[in-house]
Amino acid sequence: SQQGEEDPQALSIQEGENATMNCSYKTSINNLQWYRQNSGRGLVHLILIRSNEREKHSGRLRVTLDTSKKSSSLLITASRAADTASYFCATDAGSSNTGKLIFGQGTTLQVKP
Amino acid sequence: EAQVTQNPRYLITVTGKKLTVTCSQNMNHEYMSWYRQDPGLGLRQIYYSMNVEVTDKGDVPEGYKVSRKEKRNFPLILESPSPNQTSLYFCASSPYDRDYGYTFGSGTRLTVV
Repeated sequence: SQQGEEDPQALSIQEGENATMNCSYKTSINNLQWYRQNSGRGLVHLILIRSNEREKHSGRLRVTLDTSKKSSSLLITASRAADTASYFCATDAGSSNTGKLIFGQGTTLQVKP
Repeated sequence: EAQVTQNPRYLITVTGKKLTVTCSQNMNHEYMSWYRQDPGLGLRQIYYSMNVEVTDKGDVPEGYKVSRKEKRNFPLILESPSPNQTSLYFCASSPYDRDYGYTFGSGTRLTVV
C-alpha cells in the first residue's frame, strides 16, 4: 500500500532556483523520511524528521512536517544540475512494530544548467 | 565504507529457473528488507527481517522466499520465477532504532522471459 503521495509528480527548474516538493500521508507516523534516487540506482537517505518536530535543516535541504495536515515538504535551495533525480517521501508505519517504510510515488526533479 | 551490497546488478533468466539475489551489509544492522520497484506502483516491500532467524512477509511476498541465518546476509530467493517478477529489486538495512533511515543497495534489475 502506498501511503505517501508526492506533489508535483514532475518538476523542472533552472539551476540556482529553489525546488519544493510536497508529500501527504494517511496514518499516524513515528517519522517521515526523504530519499533521492538517481535513475535506476539505489535510494539515498537525505533527511529524517520525527513526528514531534516541525522543521529540520541539512545543508541545502529544509524539511517541514505538519502532522495535523499529515503533510511534509522538502525544499532544496540553490539547486544544481546534480540535484536532478527522483525524490521520495517515506513514512515509518506508525504503531506497527515492523520497521516498514511506506514510500510515495516520487517527484521527478530536473534541474537545467 | 558502510554499504549494502547486492548481486547481481543485472540478471536475465527464464521462467521457472530458480535464482538467488544476494544482499550483504557491513554495518551490523538488525533490520533488513527487500523491496521491488515497478513503474506506476512505486516501491513495495516483499519481506523483512528484524534480526537473525526472524523474517516476515511484507506487502507482496508471493513467489519469494528469504532467509536470515547470519546478521549480515539476507538473500532473496525466487524458487520458480515468472515474467511478473520482472522488476528492479532493492535490499535495504537499518539499525533497529526507528530514528535512522535505510541504507539501500544499488539494485538488481531482473528480467524473467
